[in-house]
Amino acid sequence: EPEVTQTPSHQVTQMGQEVILRCVPISNHLYFYWYRQILGQKVEFLVSFYNNEISEKSEIFDDQFSVERPDGSNFTLKIRSTKLEDSAMYFCASSLTGWEQYFGPGTRLTVT
Amino acid sequence: GQQVMQIPQYQHVQEGEDFTTYCNSSTTLSNIQWYKQRPGGHPVFLIQLVKSGEVKKQKRLTFQFGEAKKNSSLHITATQTTDVGTYFCAVTNTGNQFYFGTGTSLTVIP
Repeated sequence: EPEVTQTPSHQVTQMGQEVILRCVPISNHLYFYWYRQILGQKVEFLVSFYNNEISEKSEIFDDQFSVERPDGSNFTLKIRSTKLEDSAMYFCASSLTGWEQYFGPGTRLTVT
Repeated sequence: GQQVMQIPQYQHVQEGEDFTTYCNSSTTLSNIQWYKQRPGGHPVFLIQLVKSGEVKKQKRLTFQFGEAKKNSSLHITATQTTDVGTYFCAVTNTGNQFYFGTGTSLTVIP
């Protein structure tokens, strides 16, 4: 069964550093998403991406964040200058229809 | 943004007992989704409800969308240890921005 993959599984970075989180969505899917989940809390929407552009973004997704689909298969989330409060699990998801979403296993980001 | 409240936050049940979690919104929803997240895992899509009063079943799971489309419930009959996890509802107003509820963490005691 096709699945969403994410790398790395765990990323440790120092405050102020840039990080890139990578995702490979399911190949025929058209909608892509990034979410984050702080330990023990709810899943928070960051951004959705369709037709090679951002379709929606939340208040969390400020100028420090950017997304890219560089080569038609990968979908990346970049955080330019990480803060301590960016420490969380980051999930990528993809969808064929824009409704049923398939989540990847997540990247745990730890900012020290 | 859209707010959805889920209750209860935690639920401990003996294996074999039933379990229900509720999702409530102050505004009318176009649809609602339910996800399950096992401990240490990622959210897994369970179902989407669209119609007012809709009821859908998946084996021991029953999902209901309220008549006013402002609330929804997930009911599990005769819980098993495999049901352990956090159950989230998720809603969207625009179709591309999803708001997850606060989740109900289910513990099943064998």
